[in-house]
Amino acid sequence: GQSLEQPSEVTAVEGAIVQMNCTYQTSGFYGLSWYQQHDGGAPTFLSYNALDGLEETGRFSSFLSRSDSYGYLLLQELQMKDSASYFCAVTSGGYQKVTFGTGTKLQVIP
Amino acid sequence: DVKVTQSSRYLVKRTGEKVFLECVQDMDHENMFWYRQDPGLGLRLIYFSYDVKMKEKGDIPEGYSVSREKKERFSLILESASTNQTSMYLCASSASGRGNEQFFGPGTRLTVL
Repeated sequence: GQSLEQPSEVTAVEGAIVQMNCTYQTSGFYGLSWYQQHDGGAPTFLSYNALDGLEETGRFSSFLSRSDSYGYLLLQELQMKDSASYFCAVTSGGYQKVTFGTGTKLQVIP
Repeated sequence: DVKVTQSSRYLVKRTGEKVFLECVQDMDHENMFWYRQDPGLGLRLIYFSYDVKMKEKGDIPEGYSVSREKKERFSLILESASTNQTSMYLCASSASGRGNEQFFGPGTRLTVL
């Protein structure tokens, strides 16, 4: 089966940089995704890494190391609206099943 | 604007009732998914479907079944609801070959009394 580990909570200051980590164990790995979910809202897709390295989209960057079964999401120039839960998810198997981690709750403070 | 809709935002049922949760997507996506979300447990996959009339068990299929008679519609069925099925249920869809980018519906908060 698949398993993913994420820290449960992170607190960071507005304007700063925060890194949220994800380690996984799976077979038939295709890639690692990141989703954002505000309280009371639905998850929304942020990024996907299939290959090793860093992918950047505006203030958000996502990194993957397939050999280490590890990835992270980096948020720069933090804003109060970034306070949310962030989930990593692995895509694996012949039918591209997606398995989510338990999420990291990010609190941005002034 | 792409959209995934779910039949109800809130639902209250009694133990033993048969419950139907409906999900419709308008993006012509091949893949559809049902998750439940509980505090501290993240999103757990119940069932998914990669084509009409096709279904695959996820990580927690016990007590649930699904139906996909049309491409745009994926139904989750609780044959006999129990209190431990009280949860937020989320439906999602994705295009074939892009299972990583899922679009989620607003969710149905189901309470089983």
